[in-house]
Amino acid sequence: DTGVSQDPRHKITKRGQNVTFRCDPISEHNRLYWYRQTLGQGPEFLTYFQNEAQLEKSRLLSDRFSAERPKGSFSTLEIQRTEQGDSAMYLCASSTSKQGALDEQFFGPGTRLTVL
Amino acid sequence: DAKTTQPPSMDCAEGRAANLPCNHSTISGNEYVYWYRQIHSQGPQYIIHGLKNNETNEMASLIITEDRKSSTLILPHATLRDTAVYYCIVRVGRNFNKFYFGSGTKLNVKP
Repeated sequence: DTGVSQDPRHKITKRGQNVTFRCDPISEHNRLYWYRQTLGQGPEFLTYFQNEAQLEKSRLLSDRFSAERPKGSFSTLEIQRTEQGDSAMYLCASSTSKQGALDEQFFGPGTRLTVL
Repeated sequence: DAKTTQPPSMDCAEGRAANLPCNHSTISGNEYVYWYRQIHSQGPQYIIHGLKNNETNEMASLIITEDRKSSTLILPHATLRDTAVYYCIVRVGRNFNKFYFGSGTKLNVKP
C-alpha cells in the first residue's frame, strides 16, 4: 500500500492558463474525492466518484473545473482559464465501500496551485 | 450534515493529555463523529470515529456525551509531533460521503 499520490506537488501558472492535476488512489479503493483548501481554512469538498461515476459535485466546482475518473482508477482535475482565486491546495482522498471496511478517507499530500 | 464548533487554538505541555472539545449540537441520530488532523503541509490524517459509544485506538480516545451534542478527543500523552490542526467532522453513516471540515483547532504542544 503506497497511499494516495498526487502529481504535481506544486504548480505555478499564469492567470488564464489551464492546469491539470492527477490523483492515484489506493489501489483497491473505489471511492475518490477532491477537496480544495485555502490558507487557514479546512478542506472544502469539491466532488466525489464511485468507480468511474461522478456522483456529487459541490457548487464550488464552477464551469471552469472538470474532474474525470475514466477507468475507475486514477482521476484528473482540470481548471480552465485559471484565476488568482483558484490558488489553493487541491487534495485528493480515497476510500472503499467494501462491506465491513472502515470507510475512512485517506488523503494524498495535495497539489499546491499558485496563480500569478 | 451537522455543523461543528471547535476552539481555534489550544496549548498543551509535552507528555500531558490533550483534550480537544467539539460541539455538534445539531447532530442527528445516524451521524458519526470523525476526527482528523493535519500536520503542516500534509494531507489530513484519520484519527478516530464513533457513533454513540466511547472509542479508543492506538492514537487517541473519543468521548461522546450521552446526548451526542458534544465530544472530546483525548491524546493521552501529547508529543511535539502531535502539533497539528485537529478537525471534528460529522457525517451520515457509511453512504454519505462528503466531509465538512470547518476551521479546526490548532493544537500547540510545547516542551
